[in-house]
Amino acid sequence: DVKVTQSSRYLVKRTGEKVFLECVQDMDHENMFWYRQDPGLGLRLIYFSYDVKMKEKGDIPEGYSVSREKKERFSLILESASTNQTSMYLCATSISTRGGDTQYFGPGTRLTVL
Amino acid sequence: GDSVTQMEGPVTLSEEAFLTINCTYTATGYPSLFWYVQYPGEGLQLLLKATKADDKGSNKGFEATYRKETTSFHLEKGSVQVSDSAVYFCALSDQGGSYIPTFGRGTSLIVHP
Repeated sequence: DVKVTQSSRYLVKRTGEKVFLECVQDMDHENMFWYRQDPGLGLRLIYFSYDVKMKEKGDIPEGYSVSREKKERFSLILESASTNQTSMYLCATSISTRGGDTQYFGPGTRLTVL
Repeated sequence: GDSVTQMEGPVTLSEEAFLTINCTYTATGYPSLFWYVQYPGEGLQLLLKATKADDKGSNKGFEATYRKETTSFHLEKGSVQVSDSAVYFCALSDQGGSYIPTFGRGTSLIVHP
């Protein structure tokens, strides 16, 4: 079974802090994704990566950056957290850049910015 | 571009009732279709999938049939349980194109004893 883990289930930060969310997968999946989930808005893609050191912007990249130094690890960075970044953050992986594949999700990190 | 439309919730049912959650899609290519489920406090997990027309995906008593002629992938279960209370997401991924999936907004299901 694919296992996707996220560094924290719950996180509380203050406005202006730099926040790191980490995601680690234990399979050899090429693709990794970061989404945020908000009530009534569904899942929105922030950034994704198809290989080490490669990254692509999703639909809502503003205020975020990412890092993928190793294949199994994909980090989401909030350079200066703001209250409108309070949300549930979900990491996901898929096996290859061939379309049609299943996505595998981590348990999520619920971030509150005060 | 691709899109997925699913019925808004919440859907509220009594235990043992029949469930249908509607999902329709538009796709430029030939998509794989998915239903994911999110239980309270957890991430999404695959419930079932189908990769070609008329395929039926099934798991845990849930079923959905890939209907190309109506561009639909409706989720059904004959008898729901309290433990099925969750948010259900319909999604597609183009088999010949982008590997970035398109998700519906999710439908919350609440099952009462």
